[in-house]
Amino acid sequence: SQQGEEDPQALSIQEGENATMNCSYKTSINNLQWYRQNSGRGLVHLILIRSNEREKHSGRLRVTLDTSKKSSSLLITASRAADTASYFCATDAYGSARQLTFGSGTQLTVLP
Amino acid sequence: GAVVSQHPSRVICKSGTSVKIECRSLDFQATTMFWYRQFPKQSLMLMATSNEGSKATYEQGVEKDKFLINHASLTLSTLTVTSAHPEDSSFYICSANPLGSTKTEAFFGQGTRLTVV
Repeated sequence: SQQGEEDPQALSIQEGENATMNCSYKTSINNLQWYRQNSGRGLVHLILIRSNEREKHSGRLRVTLDTSKKSSSLLITASRAADTASYFCATDAYGSARQLTFGSGTQLTVLP
Repeated sequence: GAVVSQHPSRVICKSGTSVKIECRSLDFQATTMFWYRQFPKQSLMLMATSNEGSKATYEQGVEKDKFLINHASLTLSTLTVTSAHPEDSSFYICSANPLGSTKTEAFFGQGTRLTVV
């Protein structure tokens, strides 16, 4: 079942601007991951943050996790037109055999 | 590494026929693979967990006789949509994790767009 919500549902920005997407979840988690999906394609893993971590960076990506609020954010800095895609958070729980529960997703459009 | 190939990428079938979708891990083995369904502009909904050498585990509300899953080897899982109807039209995606890996990052196939006419 769907874990939670992401907001905004859709985000449109200009190239060079930063994009921030938020994800909320409902139950205790082991890890939280962010994935990217280009239209009509499979998902590509972007970054994972563990439940005992608060912030993580990878290139132009910055992820935060607040387990007390059961929320995470994904920041993409200096966005490019090629960043246009849907972004999903996904959580897994302890003992879940790597079963992922996905958020509702954010459709990001970066205008050139 | 860690490539998952899904075939076909697109299929159109007539109502009442069956369609088989393959999910292959090309450069790793996987005892478990996951099948998801995605409606337009929506998130991925887990349908079932495919287990090599044993029965698949289906999520609540997913008909196991409708969506047959076979995980015959450590590199191949198949999803067969039986007696397909237009409401089965959707995007189906599989994922897998390398056997022996402690990481939880999943590797996804490119998805299959099923259209039932």
